[in-house]
Amino acid sequence: GAVVSQHPSRVICKSGTSVKIECRSLDFQATTMFWYRQFPKQSLMLMATSNEGSKATYEQGVEKDKFLINHASLTLSTLTVTSAHPEDSSFYICSALHIQGIGEQFFGPGTRLTVL
Amino acid sequence: GENVEQHPSTLSVQEGDSAVIKCTYSDSASNYFPWYKQELGKRPQLIIDIRSNVGEKKDQRIAVTLNKTAKHFSLHITETQPEDSAVYFCAPGSSNTGKLIFGQGTTLQVKP
Repeated sequence: GAVVSQHPSRVICKSGTSVKIECRSLDFQATTMFWYRQFPKQSLMLMATSNEGSKATYEQGVEKDKFLINHASLTLSTLTVTSAHPEDSSFYICSALHIQGIGEQFFGPGTRLTVL
Repeated sequence: GENVEQHPSTLSVQEGDSAVIKCTYSDSASNYFPWYKQELGKRPQLIIDIRSNVGEKKDQRIAVTLNKTAKHFSLHITETQPEDSAVYFCAPGSSNTGKLIFGQGTTLQVKP
């Protein structure tokens, strides 16, 4: 149980375009989801906390107008990278906190974004 | 905010030896202490976790010890195998917010 999916797994786009990444909890409900970014050979950096039905909470230094997050249901959160540039190229990973969870996060498989 | 430090950054051991990775944190409100294993290009996998009311937890070859007073917790892997080679992250957090803050990672290499 506790499976989280992400779509797409890999995306290549031109500079200036926007890219949407979906994160779904497949067999459980999640009031809270998290978005992380991971550059090569680095750690996961928390970008924002996504709460169902309310505005996302962004970590310091993360531009909320650049990374739009929507959490419209208990099983789906989306991250849109607006006007993507090459420096946005990274591995984006989401995680979900079970509605009855007490700490453990369940991670998606990640999305590799390459901006040309 | 939470400051997390993980040591060592790289660790190379011979198959069968033990490996220990230490994580220190700053936020006294942290009450959830997981360790994740990540293989290249894959998602982090939870390998063991501990909560603040427990000092030690063991699962076969893997154990975690917690010293809440000193604000550090450690991952212990015994009888290491080549398939244990990966990057390991500590990620202390709060069960209230659910937020985890990841350490810098430790690259473990187990030589056959």
